Amino acid sequence: DAGVIQSPRHEVTEMGQEVTLRCKPISGHDYLFWYRQTMMRGLELLIYFNNNVPIDDSGMPEDRFSAKMPNASFSTLKIQPSEPRDSAVYFCASSLGHYLVPQHFGDGTRLSIL
Amino acid sequence: GEDVEQSLFLSVREGDSSVINCTYTDSSSTYLYWYKQEPGAGLQLLTYIFSNMDMKQDQRLTVLLNKKDKHLSLRIADTQTGDSAIYFCAENYGGATNKLIFGTGTLLAVQP
Repeated sequence: DAGVIQSPRHEVTEMGQEVTLRCKPISGHDYLFWYRQTMMRGLELLIYFNNNVPIDDSGMPEDRFSAKMPNASFSTLKIQPSEPRDSAVYFCASSLGHYLVPQHFGDGTRLSIL
Repeated sequence: GEDVEQSLFLSVREGDSSVINCTYTDSSSTYLYWYKQEPGAGLQLLTYIFSNMDMKQDQRLTVLLNKKDKHLSLRIADTQTGDSAIYFCAENYGGATNKLIFGTGTLLAVQP
């Protein structure tokens, strides 16, 4: 039973480079969430989608961040240009329907911007 | 505001009970949740409680909710070394939504 799959698991890149994080939600799930986790700010919701449509992107830090969900089985979070303060663990989660159901998290992408 | 606050660290001995506390802010939250994060992994839902309940028990886990004080706690009975992890409380912000606001997380360290 495949869970939420994120890639890459680790990414190290220099500031100014474009970074693309990828997520494959659990098959059949209709909600997809992107979170960022840092020591200073904890776990923050960046954006979430319902049926591939962005519902709430109020947590996206700034225009350098963008997220897409071209189909039900794939989403990307892109940072361009990247900055050292973007270093964090980025999690993708998915869920099916009603808010009571659990959000299933991927194992995260650890991003380091030098 | 949307702050959900927790104490940062708790240390207990194996076999003792652990109590992790959380204070939330949104009185319209319908459900409150407890998630567990093990090292190098994502969050895993442990349990949840509906806002019109005071208590919920699930095997070794007991959740207490004081809605008047907006205080939530998670009690783990007979704590094991495998319970060592970061525990997050969360509320669904704005009532019936899928948007969760997570607490700052509590690191539980279980000493053998």
